[in-house]
Amino acid sequence: DQQVKQNSPSLSVQEGRISILNCDYTNSMFDYFLWYKKYPAEGPTFLISISSIKDKNEDGRFTVFLNKSAKHLSLHIVPSQPGDSAVYFCAASATHQKVTFGTGTKLQVIP
Amino acid sequence: DAGVIQSPRHEVTEMGQEVTLRCKPISGHDYLFWYRQTMMRGLELLIYFNNNVPIDDSGMPEDRFSAKMPNASFSTLKIQPSEPRDSAVYFCASTISGGRDEQFFGPGTRLTVL
Repeated sequence: DQQVKQNSPSLSVQEGRISILNCDYTNSMFDYFLWYKKYPAEGPTFLISISSIKDKNEDGRFTVFLNKSAKHLSLHIVPSQPGDSAVYFCAASATHQKVTFGTGTKLQVIP
Repeated sequence: DAGVIQSPRHEVTEMGQEVTLRCKPISGHDYLFWYRQTMMRGLELLIYFNNNVPIDDSGMPEDRFSAKMPNASFSTLKIQPSEPRDSAVYFCASTISGGRDEQFFGPGTRLTVL
C-alpha cells in the first residue's frame, strides 16, 4: 500500500527550462511534506518542505506547491541546471519523525 | 562535523549467510532510522529508534531482520539468514528531536546476496 506515489519514474528537461516533479498521497492525516534529492552513491539530502497550513513554499530556484483537496504536491525547479540531475523523493509525515517516502523520480537536465 | 557513517559501503554475500550493517549517527541526534531502497518500493522505513529504544519496527519485513542500538552512537541491522531478495541499498539516517522531520542520511550500504 503505497501512501506516497510518484507516478513518473523519470523526467528529462532542457537546461534553463522548468522541471515539474509530481507527487500524490492517499493518507489525509499527512500534515508535513518534504522533498529529498539523491545523487548516485550518496544518501538522500533534504531539499525543501511544506506544512499543510501552507500551499506554497519557495527557496531560491525550488518551489513546492501543495493542493490538499487533490492530495497532490509538486516541486518546481526553475531554471533547471545540469547539477539538478538526480533522483527526487517526495515524502510525507503524519506524526513527528516518522516519514513515508515515495519511489522517486529521476530527473535528467540536458545541457 | 562528520555526517552519518555507515559500514560497509558494499557487501556481497551468499544466500544463507549472516549480514551485519553498521551505522554511527550524528552526535547529539536522538532519532535513528533504517531504510531500504528498492526500485519497486522506493525508500522503505524498516525501523526507527528514539534515545536507543526501538519505537516502530513494523517495516521490518521478516523475522530474519533484526536491529539494535546499544548506545547513542552505534546501531546495527542484521539479516540472518540472507536471501537474494534482500539485495538492496540500506540507508541509516538520524535527526534531532524538534528538528521537524529533516533527516540526515548516510551514504548507504549496497547489499548483494548471491
